[in-house]
Amino acid sequence: QSALTQPPSVSGSPGQSVTISCTGSSSAFGTYNFVSWYKQYPGKAPKLVIFDVNKRPSGVPDRFSGSKSGNTASLTISGLQAEDEADYHCCSYAGSYTTFGGGTKVTVL
Amino acid sequence: QVQLQESGPGLVKPSETLSLTCKVSGGSISSGAYYWTWIRQAAGKGLDWIGRVYSTGGTDYSPSLRSRVTMSVDTSKNQVFLRLNSVTAADTAVYYCARAPVGPTHSFDLWGHGTMGTVSS
Repeated sequence: QSALTQPPSVSGSPGQSVTISCTGSSSAFGTYNFVSWYKQYPGKAPKLVIFDVNKRPSGVPDRFSGSKSGNTASLTISGLQAEDEADYHCCSYAGSYTTFGGGTKVTVL
Repeated sequence: QVQLQESGPGLVKPSETLSLTCKVSGGSISSGAYYWTWIRQAAGKGLDWIGRVYSTGGTDYSPSLRSRVTMSVDTSKNQVFLRLNSVTAADTAVYYCARAPVGPTHSFDLWGHGTMGTVSS
């Protein structure tokens, strides 16, 4: 059982925005702002889309944004596109170990 | 361009040891700029952090797996190793090697393609 809780699925129409929540205990996040998000297509390795709560790696569209408030981190995908349909995993570093959420499937209607 | 390539036996019997290798190409693990991490994913499940190893051999492990896991590096071969002993069917998963930058940051910015580890008699 993950220490970080994500909704199993979210959906939206092309052009809309969707937000994925990632809720954990205070111990899951610790005192750090080290939350990252990964996009994963079926049968493929995950790919980093957000790190340190709200930073985007080079090459990731600015449609992807991250935030954190209290014990909930969020990933927002704006201007939803067909290629955004995938699983998304949140991740937190809290000291010497790392925790992942259970993953959320994003469906583009 | 740095690439990570996992390899392993594919199939191990219950109670035996799963041994996997991650070969790093296009960059040196001795640079000290990264932690080398193992993450697994059972079919239809989320990601599960197993632990990390630094180029000096220092390690951190998941509390739930600490008693069964050993990670190490061979800097001369640019390889990272995972040993998971006393395996059960619950350890059947795709095992990924990933790179995590050192510093006041945390992420896995590069992943291998993964290798399947199946536990079955």
